[in-house]
Amino acid sequence: EVRLVESGGGLVQPGGSLRLSCAASGFIYRSFWMTWVRQAPGKGLEWVASIKGDGSEKYYGDSVKGRFTISRDNAKNSLYLQMNSLRVEDTAVFYCTRDRMVYATGDRWFDPWGQGSPVTVSS
Amino acid sequence: SYELTQPPSVSVSPGQTASITCSGDKLGDKYVCWYQQRPGQSPVVVLYEDNKRPSGIPERFSGSNSGNTATLTISGTQAMDEADYYCQTWDSGTAVFGGGTKLTVL
Repeated sequence: EVRLVESGGGLVQPGGSLRLSCAASGFIYRSFWMTWVRQAPGKGLEWVASIKGDGSEKYYGDSVKGRFTISRDNAKNSLYLQMNSLRVEDTAVFYCTRDRMVYATGDRWFDPWGQGSPVTVSS
Repeated sequence: SYELTQPPSVSVSPGQTASITCSGDKLGDKYVCWYQQRPGQSPVVVLYEDNKRPSGIPERFSGSNSGNTATLTISGTQAMDEADYYCQTWDSGTAVFGGGTKLTVL
């Protein structure tokens, strides 16, 4: 069974930092792109960042570029999100997801999703 | 930046057909997937590549994508289908989500 389990969320003051982790199991982790998606309270889904299986490519959403860093440790089957200079508007549940791809067509989607890790930025 | 537009809410009676639209510029030239998010739960993909169902997703879920609009159709809607639905595509290496549609089964 494919499992993604996030941890590391919590309450942090504006300007502070937090590191989220995602433990993956049940699949060949190094072979998959991985992604973080967030959801602010009562709002929709927002793509945060994605990383290639070998870590050689990383992409970020405009709202987090320069402040957040996605990384992975394939030896530990783990995904990370280092969040610096946090703002009140970063308050959200952060989901870890695995990218699924059809290389022949270029289609790509997220499956499965972890249970989410809540992050609250408040003074 | 690329945008996807969904209606905030759609209502349907049990057993009837629900249609949720997702609009974007030349969306038919891209692939669209759809996620279902029940209250308090994580999203689950219900369609990918416009109209393909992952294993375990009921046949009543179907999709289309042409022109500027993709559509998620739920035939014979059941109470358990009440949820938020999000469309998603990719543009220039960036994942883009629609704003979400709350499906109410009355």
